[in-house]
Amino acid sequence: QQQVKQSPQSLIVQKGGISIINCAYENTAFDYFPWYQQFPGKGPALLIAIRPDVSEKKEGRFTISFNKSAKQFSLHIMDSQPGDSATYFCAAAPSGGYNKLIFGAGTRLAVHP
Amino acid sequence: SAVISQKPSRDICQRGTSLTIQCQVDSQVTMMFWYRQQPGQSLTLIATANQGSEATYESGFVIDKFPISRPNLTFSTLTVSNMSPEDSSIYLCSVSQRADPTGELFFGEGSRLTVL
Repeated sequence: QQQVKQSPQSLIVQKGGISIINCAYENTAFDYFPWYQQFPGKGPALLIAIRPDVSEKKEGRFTISFNKSAKQFSLHIMDSQPGDSATYFCAAAPSGGYNKLIFGAGTRLAVHP
Repeated sequence: SAVISQKPSRDICQRGTSLTIQCQVDSQVTMMFWYRQQPGQSLTLIATANQGSEATYESGFVIDKFPISRPNLTFSTLTVSNMSPEDSSIYLCSVSQRADPTGELFFGEGSRLTVL
């Protein structure tokens, strides 16, 4: 019940395409869902986050879609660029515990020119 | 944001030895955490480093194996004791600046340990 399941494990997208990464959770106590981006040799950095009171959040080319009834959320990267090539982690945390994150397994994204 | 420095950035260690990882933050932070990232895998929370008191460990992690210190609001150490090859991982220091648990997490670049 504490798991966050992430797919796909790896993803190859052409430059300009849309990258889509999906996550699912079981614990209904989760109410904070961030996405982290990690480049090789670096620590993860917060990319975008959503709470379940909204179904979508957009920041630039990055959009989180959230489906509370299905307990699923996804990251969409529009107009994907080679500089977006990184590992992306979804995560979840319960109310009042946003810094005690449960991370998904990660998706390695490669954007080809 | 917070700038987090970890030392060492990488090390190769012999089985049975112990290694201490240091985490220094450029500003006072409320919360400090230690995560483990095994090769090609996700991040797992080891413990919350509490200033002036014993760390709070997550299920599957114990103080004897991963002793943690936090003498002040900008510094913490994690020791990996009696290492085995299974301890080969990246260990990440993470901080939150907010006084409540809703604060954004910032991560250091990690310490990559290889145990032979």
